[in-house]
Amino acid sequence: ETGVTQTPRHLVMGMTNKKSLKCEQHLGHNAMYWYKQSAKKPLELMFVYSLEERVENNSVPSRFSPECPNSSHLFLHLHTLQPEDSALYLCASSQGQVSSGANVLTFGAGSRLTVL
Amino acid sequence: KQEVTQIPAALSVPEGENLVLNCSFTDSAIYNLQWFRQDPGKGLTSLLLIQSSQREQTSGRLNASLDKSSGRSTLYIAASQPGDSATYLCAVEMDSSYKLIFGSGTRLLVRP
Repeated sequence: ETGVTQTPRHLVMGMTNKKSLKCEQHLGHNAMYWYKQSAKKPLELMFVYSLEERVENNSVPSRFSPECPNSSHLFLHLHTLQPEDSALYLCASSQGQVSSGANVLTFGAGSRLTVL
Repeated sequence: KQEVTQIPAALSVPEGENLVLNCSFTDSAIYNLQWFRQDPGKGLTSLLLIQSSQREQTSGRLNASLDKSSGRSTLYIAASQPGDSATYLCAVEMDSSYKLIFGSGTRLLVRP
C-alpha cells in the first residue's frame, strides 16, 4: 500500500466517548501533520511531528491528544469532544525537516468525524 | 497575521473554457505558495508549488503565477474539462515556518 492512509474514514461518537483516528504513511517521510477542515472554514493546522517529536501544537484544546509512536504512524486521540468538533480531520506527511521549509505535503483522504 | 483569500468562492464554466482562479495574501513575507486540488470526500492533492523567488510554475494545462509584492497568485487552467471539477485551495508557507496557511478555496464546476 502506498501514500497516506487514514482510518476510520467515518466516525460518529457521543460527547463522552473516547476514540482514536489513525494515520499511516508508506512514503518514507519523516514529518507528519494533523489538519482540521470544518465547513466553510479554511484548513487549520493542529499538530506537526518531525522525527517523532512534536514541533507544533497550534492552540488545540486538550481534548485532542496526538501520538506519534514512529515516523510512519500518527494518532489523534479524542476524548470528551463537543459537537463543534465535527469536521474532516486530514493527516499529511512530508519529506525532510519541517524547519527547512518548501515541504510538499501528501494528504490522506481524511476521517469524517461527527460528534452527537 | 497572515490571511489568505480566494475569489471567487464558486465558479461554473462550460467545458473548453480557459479560466483563472485568484488567491491573495496579506503578508508578502512568504517562503512559498502552493496550489492544491480537493475532490469531494477526498484529501488534498498538491498541484504546483512556487518558491518566493519564482514568478510562475507550469504543469500540463495548469499555470500558476506569483506576484509576491502585491500579495497575489493566480491559477490558470487551460481548456477546462469536466474532470477538473473540484475545490482548488491555495496555501502560503511563511518564512522559517512549516505552517501552511490556507484559503477557503474555490469550488469549480466544469459543465459538459
